[in-house]
Amino acid sequence: GNSVTQMEGPVTLSEEAFLTINCTYTATGYPSLFWYVQYPGEGLQLLLKATKADDKGSNKGFEATYRKETTSFHLEKGSVQVSDSAVYFCALVLSGNTPLVFGKGTRLSVIA
Amino acid sequence: SQTIHQWPATLVQPVGSPLSLECTVEGTSNPNLYWYRQAAGRGLQLLFYSVGIGQISSEVPQNLSASRPQDRQFILSSKKLLLSDSGFYLCAQTRPTGLEAFFGQGTRLTVV
Repeated sequence: GNSVTQMEGPVTLSEEAFLTINCTYTATGYPSLFWYVQYPGEGLQLLLKATKADDKGSNKGFEATYRKETTSFHLEKGSVQVSDSAVYFCALVLSGNTPLVFGKGTRLSVIA
Repeated sequence: SQTIHQWPATLVQPVGSPLSLECTVEGTSNPNLYWYRQAAGRGLQLLFYSVGIGQISSEVPQNLSASRPQDRQFILSSKKLLLSDSGFYLCAQTRPTGLEAFFGQGTRLTVV
């Protein structure tokens, strides 16, 4: 089946530290890949996406590259801020009429 | 732009009582609609999804049900709530021609 595996959290970093959250996937076809962010008490917001191999999604200083050879889509940011504290979800989808498959989420806490 | 309305935002219900959570969407015709549940400290669990009026796919057998009486309305129900039904319920939509999902703000349900 299709699945997404994320690194276990929580992740605690100091402000301006480098962030990596690992994400790997298993899929029966060629998925599109996403990172979503959930701030406390809110729904999920799309952070970035990539629809084919070697695509790089980027937004708000976050980046992730679709690596087909390693079936990965790791999230990175060069310098985190306290406002980046949230839960981050990696997800995949195979086609427009199928549900997104989510990882379990990684909680990030950034301290000043 | 797509807007998803979920209500209520918070709900406290006794065990054995009924449940009705409503989700309505704006800005898209014939959307695919989804109900997810997020238990405390856990990831997202897909409960139901719908690709059209009256069409419901259930992902997890439990005492919840879903209905789609109108194109842009998706309702999550239960006849008798259990303690284990507590969680954060999220409605989401995808456009017929799109892949990424857009989420509502969620309903936090506490069963006591």
